[in-house]
Order: sequence, then C-alpha cells, then structure tokens
Amino acid sequence: GAVVSQHPSRVICKSGTSVKIECRSLDFQATTMFWYRQFPKQSLMLMATSNEGSKATYEQGVEKDKFLINHASLTLSTLTVTSAHPEDSSFYICSAGGRGGTDTQYFGPGTRLTVL
Amino acid sequence: GEDVEQSLFLSVREGDSSVINCTYTDSSSTYLYWYKQEPGAGLQLLTYIFSNMDMKQDQRLTVLLNKKDKHLSLRIADTQTGDSAIYFCAESIAGTGKLIFGQGTTLQVKP
Repeated sequence: GAVVSQHPSRVICKSGTSVKIECRSLDFQATTMFWYRQFPKQSLMLMATSNEGSKATYEQGVEKDKFLINHASLTLSTLTVTSAHPEDSSFYICSAGGRGGTDTQYFGPGTRLTVL
Repeated sequence: GEDVEQSLFLSVREGDSSVINCTYTDSSSTYLYWYKQEPGAGLQLLTYIFSNMDMKQDQRLTVLLNKKDKHLSLRIADTQTGDSAIYFCAESIAGTGKLIFGQGTTLQVKP
C-alpha cells in the first residue's frame, strides 16, 4: 500500500504554545489530504479536508483559526494547533487520498499530542 | 445523514474464523473499506470492495457485501494472535472523497 508519514510521532507541549504536525505522502501525489482526531477508544473524527493549493474545508464545529491547515504541495500538508490547551490533547491522524482516482485513503501513523 | 454501525467487541480462539459485521446507510457509496488499527498506530488499509461486487477474497480475508441490506462483513480465516486489533468499517461518500467510519470492532484473539 501507499506510504504516508507523520512527524512528530509524539509531542508534549506547554499550554499556550503552538504545535505543527507534518503529513507527507511518500510515494504518490495526493490531491487531497484529510486530518482526523481520535479520542481514546473512539472512532476517527474528520476535522478538515485539505486540497493542494486551496483553502482547507473544515467540518462543522472545528475552529479553523485554532487548527491551521496548509497544503503547499501534492506531498505535504501541515496541521498547526495554535495556542494549545489541555483539551486539545489527542491523537491526530492524517490521510492521503486521490491515488488512482479512487476514494481510498492511506493513513499516517498518527501523532500523539499532550498539552500540559 | 450517513451512518456506519459496528458491534464493539468480538472474542475468538486462535485458529477459529472471525466475522466482523458492519451496516451502512448511504446507498450511493462507491467503495467500502476495512481498516485495521493496532494500539498507538494509524490505520492500515486491509481491503476494500467496489459497490457493484458481492464478494472479494484476499488470502485469509473475505469481504461480503449485501447491497440490498447495506451490510458488509469481514471474515478472517485461521485467526492469529497478531490479528488482535480494532477493525474499522468505512464507506465513501460519493463525490466528496470523504469516508465515514464505524465505531470500530475490537477483536480479541485468545491463544
């Protein structure tokens, strides 16, 4: 399957700081990337859809000024959690889609964010 | 709106077959997926089926699709302890590229 990487895999930060998470599609050009959030023992919650060269589309209830998404190239999307608070602590997972013209999404390994 | 439902837990003995079930609501879904998630990891694509297919087999995995009942199942033959994980069913929303996930089924394999 396709390879998607995320960096960092784990980050601990102080309340009020900003954290950037990178998502890279390593072996195909992803026209669309998705950002999800997953709480313990729960399913994935879609936060936003990111298309290369255009603004991200956020799901209802997700603050676009808090979760900044940039999709500068067909292989890189970034999620920046601004002014992080303890309630932002979660597992963030990205996926890359558009390979072969299908809806199949290939997921990164996830980033565990802990805000103290 | 779209919804995907799964049972939350399944326990089987090593060597037995496991069957994980899923129901969905969007009849226009083009593809249906099964993903596997191990603790602390991302989702691994196991298999997917196109909506005009009834069955797809890939080694130990068999996917059955009943489009009339909007029911999808994943059968794992000769289940191993390494198959212990959470399995997510997902349907694609036509024209959006988005996936709707079920709650995940935790598969426990006892030796």
